[in-house]
Amino acid sequence: QKEVEQNSGPLSVPEGAIASLNCTYSDRGSQSFFWYRQYSGKSPELIMFIYSNGDKEDGRFTAQLNKASQYVSLLIRDSQPSDSATYLCAVIGPSYNNNDMRFGAGTRLTVKP
Amino acid sequence: GAVVSQHPSRVICKSGTSVKIECRSLDFQATTMFWYRQFPKQSLMLMATSNEGSKATYEQGVEKDKFLINHASLTLSTLTVTSAHPEDSSFYICSASRQINTEAFFGQGTRLTVV
Repeated sequence: QKEVEQNSGPLSVPEGAIASLNCTYSDRGSQSFFWYRQYSGKSPELIMFIYSNGDKEDGRFTAQLNKASQYVSLLIRDSQPSDSATYLCAVIGPSYNNNDMRFGAGTRLTVKP
Repeated sequence: GAVVSQHPSRVICKSGTSVKIECRSLDFQATTMFWYRQFPKQSLMLMATSNEGSKATYEQGVEKDKFLINHASLTLSTLTVTSAHPEDSSFYICSASRQINTEAFFGQGTRLTVV
């Protein structure tokens, strides 16, 4: 089982819709969870991090964490064409060495005008 | 915000030569720095983790004698690809974090082409 799993997509939503991105992780003791956005040919940029169960909102983005289900999601409200990118879920788990972050394969999102 | 600078952004080298990539945290001291490699349309693959003043921890399958990592200070880590071959051509990205279990910030990445 992969440590961090994401649906590779592509996920296509119309402009203005809500995009929902999902991620599951294998290490039940994981404590820190991150969402990064990566445009083609560029390095990832941090969108949000979440450490506690529940929802965390930042502008149009909401991260949701459910540790019991080992599930973390990212909702993008009012999606814009500029949100089209690959979204990477990342997890730091207690079983990992030296604080390293494990990434999912990423979900490619396309927002159509 | 936290800024991580990586350079060069692009490098083309001949097969058999070595290439050094630098990663600097500009406005914070990085407890840990990470090096990733990414092939086209694939996810980030962690190569190694480095802490200042200690030897890097390499992921399984990554040759430590080929990918030399030096973490000389809390703001600088370098990756040297030795005796590069065309199959080493890839996008190399570093990241750095301030504290354990906190977010990591990425450099701009280095696109290496070995001809």
